[in-house]
Amino acid sequence: SAVISQKPSRDICQRGTSLTIQCQVDSQVTMMFWYRQQPGQSLTLIATANQGSEATYESGFVIDKFPISRPNLTFSTLTVSNMSPEDSSIYLCSVGGGGTGKNTEAFFGQGTRLTVV
Amino acid sequence: DAKTTQPTSMDCAEGRAANLPCNHSTISGNEYVYWYRQIHSQGPQYIIHGLKNNETNEMASLIITEDRKSSTLILPHATLRDTAVYYCIVRDAGNMLTFGGGTRLMVKP
Repeated sequence: SAVISQKPSRDICQRGTSLTIQCQVDSQVTMMFWYRQQPGQSLTLIATANQGSEATYESGFVIDKFPISRPNLTFSTLTVSNMSPEDSSIYLCSVGGGGTGKNTEAFFGQGTRLTVV
Repeated sequence: DAKTTQPTSMDCAEGRAANLPCNHSTISGNEYVYWYRQIHSQGPQYIIHGLKNNETNEMASLIITEDRKSSTLILPHATLRDTAVYYCIVRDAGNMLTFGGGTRLMVKP
C-alpha cells in the first residue's frame, strides 16, 4: 500500500493568483497522477507526472495552466495558475493503478479543496 | 466516451446486501473491471477488480457475467459507513483509471 499526503487540504484563493499543491508519497513510485473533481462531478485525469521527464497532459489540460514538477520518486507538485472561479474543484494526487499484477490498485490522497473567489 | 454505465443512485437497508450493477458491453478481452468508492470528502478507495472469474475479498464480491458485458459489485452486509459513490471502471494493463459518473449508494437504517 501507499500513503499519500497532500498539502494544503483546502484553500480559498483570489482570482488571478496561483496555488501550488504538494503531494508526498511514503514510497518510491514511477508515475504519479493528478486528477480534478469539479463540484458534484466525477474525477478527471489532468496529467501523469514522471520523474525525470515532462508531465503528460490529457486533452483539455495544458502545461501553462497546470505546471507540474516531479523532482524525485516520492514527491510532486501541481500548480493551478491564473485561477478563475471555474478552477474551484478538488484536486487529487494518485499513485499506482498501472499493470495487471496483484499490486494494481491505485491509491489517492485526501485531496485539496480549492475555492476561487 | 464512457466505457461503463451505472445507475445514478441506489438505496439499501442497513444489514442487507447491496448489489451494484455495471454495464460494460464494449469491454475488450484484455480489459479488467475495477471498482472504487469515494466516501464524502475523501479520495477514492480501491475495492476489488477482476478479469473473467468472480472475485471476493474482505470488502466485497465481484460477479462478472460469462460474456463479460456486465458485472455486479456485492457488499454482503451494508453498513451506514458504506454510503458512498461507487465507480465501475474498465481498463487494460498500463492504462490510467477513467472514472465515469458512478452510483451514489445510500445505506439507510
